[in-house]
Amino acid sequence: DTGVSQDPRHKITKRGQNVTFRCDPISEHNRLYWYRQTLGQGPEFLTYFQNEAQLEKSRLLSDRFSAERPKGSFSTLEIQRTEQGDSAMYLCASSPETSGRGEQFFGPGTRLTVL
Amino acid sequence: GEDVEQSLFLSVREGDSSVINCTYTDSSSTYLYWYKQEPGAGLQLLTYIFSNMDMKQDQRLTVLLNKKDKHLSLRIADTQTGDSAIYFCAVNDYKLSFGAGTTVTVRA
Repeated sequence: DTGVSQDPRHKITKRGQNVTFRCDPISEHNRLYWYRQTLGQGPEFLTYFQNEAQLEKSRLLSDRFSAERPKGSFSTLEIQRTEQGDSAMYLCASSPETSGRGEQFFGPGTRLTVL
Repeated sequence: GEDVEQSLFLSVREGDSSVINCTYTDSSSTYLYWYKQEPGAGLQLLTYIFSNMDMKQDQRLTVLLNKKDKHLSLRIADTQTGDSAIYFCAVNDYKLSFGAGTTVTVRA
């Protein structure tokens, strides 16, 4: 399978703990995006990378959130001192820079539950 | 961010056509997209339309775009039970803005 993969698929944690999610994009896709989706809503943009450079961050991404893509391949999203409001599905997507259509291909998501 | 609005629910009989509507506020998107999400899964890109087109047909899917009214629709012909899912329209050229999704239920 050469699609976008995310790990873990589910994470349950206690409030105040740190969590880290991983995303492996489609190979050769140099753009990588993180979105957050809460129940009954569409995904909301969090941040995106072109290669290893983080080019934009949403105001939704508080100081407790940090994302990296150190070698321009996989990416990690860390949430420190989790809060119950962080409970959501975290989606990763990738796209090729050369695609004029800009379509993004999504992974299956990581569902976070903060108790 | 963008305002993208969709009706929340649609119930359709198997074999009939489904029409899902979407309105948006920003007209600068080069492409507009439709995604499908099945329970517990990520989003699957169904189709897209270039902003200078009025219509695009892709097998059972027809996308209509009215730029003047900022209205996008997705028609699914001969709706099947496998089409039951949540459908999202999305606009913007990189940081996609999504509607809340339309839950389509196909009844026998």
